[in-house]
Amino acid sequence: KAGVTQTPRYLIKTRGQQVTLSCSPISGHRSVSWYQQTPGQGLQFLFEYFSETQRNKGNFPGRFSGRQFSNSRSEMNVSTLELGDSALYLCASSGGQGEGNEQFFGPGTRLTVL
Amino acid sequence: AQSVTQLGSHVSVSEGALVLLRCNYSSSVPPYLFWYVQYPNQGLQLLLKYTSAATLVKGINGFEAEFKKSETSFHLTKPSAHMSDAAEYFCAVTQGGAGGTSYGKLTFGQGTILTVHP
Repeated sequence: KAGVTQTPRYLIKTRGQQVTLSCSPISGHRSVSWYQQTPGQGLQFLFEYFSETQRNKGNFPGRFSGRQFSNSRSEMNVSTLELGDSALYLCASSGGQGEGNEQFFGPGTRLTVL
Repeated sequence: AQSVTQLGSHVSVSEGALVLLRCNYSSSVPPYLFWYVQYPNQGLQLLLKYTSAATLVKGINGFEAEFKKSETSFHLTKPSAHMSDAAEYFCAVTQGGAGGTSYGKLTFGQGTILTVHP
């Protein structure tokens, strides 16, 4: 079974721009969660989508948004980029039959904001 | 609210020595607990999980963890460290939702970097 894939793997943007990251979950998984990882703040939960609906949301400003499509693929968007948005963005999927509650993570997208 | 504290941001051991990575949690309801490992420039890989079936949980690569409710702890151990164990380890907690097959919000500890010396 193919794992979670994220595209692109690396991205360089400048302040003020916007960016869209993509995540394809494991086949059959209906839940996709997004996390931001930085050296200072560690791993922080952004939001989770389940069956195209946002089910949980972390404490991030409205510049961070996401969506999920009918095939469970998910995108997250960050508008008006700030230097502090530089981070590794990780996507995780869960909800496959018989797999319990664990989340399976993709390799991440490394975003650098200049 | 749930939270996780990992004691020690860096742990250093010799190859063949015992590995002990500490994790304490705070949760208002019975939690689900996980240990993940992250190698440089990679995502997180699940080592093991606790979901109330058994207090001693065995995972991959020889790791295990014991859930101790009285101590609110879920420490990760491995009897004999290998060079390939060098990585960053994260303890995480989530609270199951009412039904459904997915629990989408993990709260992570700050991570412990494990160094293994030859």
